Amino acid sequence: GQQVMQIPQYQHVQEGEDFTTYCNSSTTLSNIQWYKQRPGGHPVFLIQLVKSGEVKKQKRLTFQFGEAKKNSSLHITATQTTDVGTYFCAGPGNTPLVFGKGTRLSVIA
Amino acid sequence: DGGITQSPKYLFRKEGQNVTLSCEQNLNHDAMYWYRQDPGQGLRLIYYSQIVNDFQKGDIAEGYSVSREKKESFPLTVTSAQKNPTAFYLCASSISGGLYGYTFGSGTRLTVV
Repeated sequence: GQQVMQIPQYQHVQEGEDFTTYCNSSTTLSNIQWYKQRPGGHPVFLIQLVKSGEVKKQKRLTFQFGEAKKNSSLHITATQTTDVGTYFCAGPGNTPLVFGKGTRLSVIA
Repeated sequence: DGGITQSPKYLFRKEGQNVTLSCEQNLNHDAMYWYRQDPGQGLRLIYYSQIVNDFQKGDIAEGYSVSREKKESFPLTVTSAQKNPTAFYLCASSISGGLYGYTFGSGTRLTVV
């Protein structure tokens, strides 16, 4: 079945440094979604990308969808302690979303 | 406020017992889902339902059962057949097809004692 791979699994950064997580799918995706889960919390929907090569920004977060619609990235500029958590990408499977294992971000103040 | 409510937040179960986790939504979403999350792991799909009175098995359905008698409710029963039930269980809902994202409940942390 469809798989969504995410790297890295963990990332530790100093506050103010940039952070990027990458997501790769074994198949072409009609869309890709990103979620954030704070420690002890539940996943929260951040954004959905649909078009090939699409780039969307939310303040310090930049989301990209690859030209071939098989990969995506999330980049955070100048991380803050509020960015701590696990970031998941998810692609449509046959019907329900298939989630990557996530990238856990730690920010050292 | 519209949302999705899971209860209880914490649940302790003795080995051999069945337990039922509640999930209720007032978002008028057609689709509902149950995921399991283990420490350091992603979300694995247990069951999902796209319409009332219908549901499908996900990747790890063995030892679990569900019902969807009402649009708002999608309870999950963890049976004694589930070999390793200690985990964080997340319920989610979405409009049909999942476009525009899933809304998750705050989860139930189940521990077998």
